[in-house]
Amino acid sequence: DAKTTQPPSMDCAEGRAANLPCNHSTISGNEYVYWYRQIHSQGPQYIIHGLKNNETNEMASLIITEDRKSSTLILPHATLRDTAVYYCIVLVYNQGGKLIFGQGTELSVKP
Amino acid sequence: GAVVSQHPSWVICKSGTSVKIECRSLDFQATTMFWYRQFPKQSLMLMATSNEGSKATYEQGVEKDKFLINHASLTLSTLTVTSAHPEDSSFYICSARTAETMNTEAFFGQGTRLTVV
Repeated sequence: DAKTTQPPSMDCAEGRAANLPCNHSTISGNEYVYWYRQIHSQGPQYIIHGLKNNETNEMASLIITEDRKSSTLILPHATLRDTAVYYCIVLVYNQGGKLIFGQGTELSVKP
Repeated sequence: GAVVSQHPSWVICKSGTSVKIECRSLDFQATTMFWYRQFPKQSLMLMATSNEGSKATYEQGVEKDKFLINHASLTLSTLTVTSAHPEDSSFYICSARTAETMNTEAFFGQGTRLTVV
């Protein structure tokens, strides 16, 4: 299974962009990168996913490097409600699409 | 996005009893459902994968006779913790996806906090 590496914690000032990095150097060519976040004591919330092109939705942008070995999730204008643990996950191929969670990055947005 | 609902949100049970947790996909048909367990300050750990009408596939180290999973319909999966003990106290979370394609996101329930006393 392709593993991901994320910094354990990050701080961000409210209103500024939060850039969360993820390393997935063993990713296979047809495996997608997914990002979820979990606010304390809740189920994970889907944010965005991509294969090789950059993606953007109403929540965030996903930038994937050309070699696909790393990606960055960008929250353009972080708010206090974005404080959560963010998980970068590579979808497991041929196993029903299960998501294996790593340790994630605990993002603290500060006033 | 699609809605996945878990019931109950929390439950307290006595040691030795069994507890059933339900996971429903409210507005889509879930061909595959997943069950996770999360201990405090830790990440989610996948317990098993279930496909409608089939036996669940358990991850290594998860006791299939203790954690019974049933996925009898495209909108309902249940997890039964049998003969629960205090060490089974945890946050249990289900997720569901509509297809096995690689471009389909999985949606998560709100979780069930189980406390065994």
